[in-house]
Amino acid sequence: DGGITQSPKYLFRKEGQNVTLSCEQNLNHDAMYWYRQDPGQGLRLIYYSQIVNDFQKGDIAEGYSVSREKKESFPLTVTSAQKNPTAFYLCASSILGQGSNQPQHFGDGTRLSIL
Amino acid sequence: QQQVKQSPQSLIVQKGGISIINCAYENTAFDYFPWYQQFPGKGPALLIAIRPDVSEKKEGRFTISFNKSAKQFSLHIMDSQPGDSATYFCAALTQGGSEKLVFGKGTKLTVNP
Repeated sequence: DGGITQSPKYLFRKEGQNVTLSCEQNLNHDAMYWYRQDPGQGLRLIYYSQIVNDFQKGDIAEGYSVSREKKESFPLTVTSAQKNPTAFYLCASSILGQGSNQPQHFGDGTRLSIL
Repeated sequence: QQQVKQSPQSLIVQKGGISIINCAYENTAFDYFPWYQQFPGKGPALLIAIRPDVSEKKEGRFTISFNKSAKQFSLHIMDSQPGDSATYFCAALTQGGSEKLVFGKGTKLTVNP
């Protein structure tokens, strides 16, 4: 089955700690995205990548970092600089450049909480 | 300019009724408007999408109505069922650009049996 796998499903962070959320896709999609979801806030874009070894900041990139060393993987690190990291984090992927409507496919998220 | 405004924030409908969720946008460069359905603890899943060259698209009980001049679009769920209870997000995108989706803030739909 093709899809997006996010792990872990639940994650706890201690004060001053960096944590990394995993996102892997086997859809052969070019682009990958990280969103943060808070109650009543919808989905806000953190980072996105359209090609390996390149990525761009989204609307709320401060306190986060990413890498894109492989097409299928786009890990997100929540750094200690992110003072309010408690949220539901969603990874998505999509095909690019075909000139037709290509939706973003989402994983089932990681819920991050502060200890 | 980049916002998509969604209403209502929450909606309660009786089984068999019609659920209507509305969205409005400002950026006329948007050319793809998907709706996503999200169940608790899951990621959003694409429900139905429309391009601005059509005024309506129907898939089963789900219909998108699109008013280009008013820059508004809406989701209608006919014969609403308890299994439709979820959070619904509208979104907009400009294809060929950054390919970034702009999401509304979501509508929590509850369908009572």
